Amino acid sequence: DAKTTQPNSMESNEEEPVHLPCNHSTISGTDYIHWYRQLPSQGPEYVIHGLTSNVNNRMASLAIAEDRKSSTLILHRATLRDAAVYYCILRDHNTDKLIFGTGTRLQVFP
Amino acid sequence: DAGVIQSPRHEVTEMGQEVTLRCKPISGHDYLFWYRQTMMRGLELLIYFNNNVPIDDSGMPEDRFSAKMPNASFSTLKIQPSEPRDSAVYFCASSSGGGADGNQPQHFGDGTRLSIL
Repeated sequence: DAKTTQPNSMESNEEEPVHLPCNHSTISGTDYIHWYRQLPSQGPEYVIHGLTSNVNNRMASLAIAEDRKSSTLILHRATLRDAAVYYCILRDHNTDKLIFGTGTRLQVFP
Repeated sequence: DAGVIQSPRHEVTEMGQEVTLRCKPISGHDYLFWYRQTMMRGLELLIYFNNNVPIDDSGMPEDRFSAKMPNASFSTLKIQPSEPRDSAVYFCASSSGGGADGNQPQHFGDGTRLSIL
């Protein structure tokens, strides 16, 4: 499985934008980029996914580099509830498996 | 809509005892996944089912672990006999349609926190 690299932790202030980076230099053409987050004492929660084009949904935006070797999850206005561990995952379209890495722990300050 | 329901939420038992964790997936979902999360190893996939049939159990740590899915609305993960190193949070997740186009998100339950003394 292709691997991803994320910073261990990041900090943000409330109501500011947050850009969470992910490097995936060994990504293959059939890998989708998925983001999940895990709030304290809860199971992981799907955030967003994409293949080549940038994607937006009600939770976040996903910016994918032109060469697909990196991507950035964008939270437009961080809230205290966004404090969580964010996982960037490569998922081959031929598999049903998600392989979680160590993620980025996001702290949000009031 | 009801999400993935796991029970019990917490389980404390002595080593050597049998432990059974239960999961009710979201109605209509045909994929079910069992994960284990520890500080040391993070979130690991143990086994997953499609249409009640086990597809990949390569993550099951050893023969003490077994999982069944007798019908579309229920699955169990059993540990017999349990050991202290099995202490972890166990998550169940379900999804619809699988990974045919890589797009189907997995929906996770809140987990069972298992402590083996």
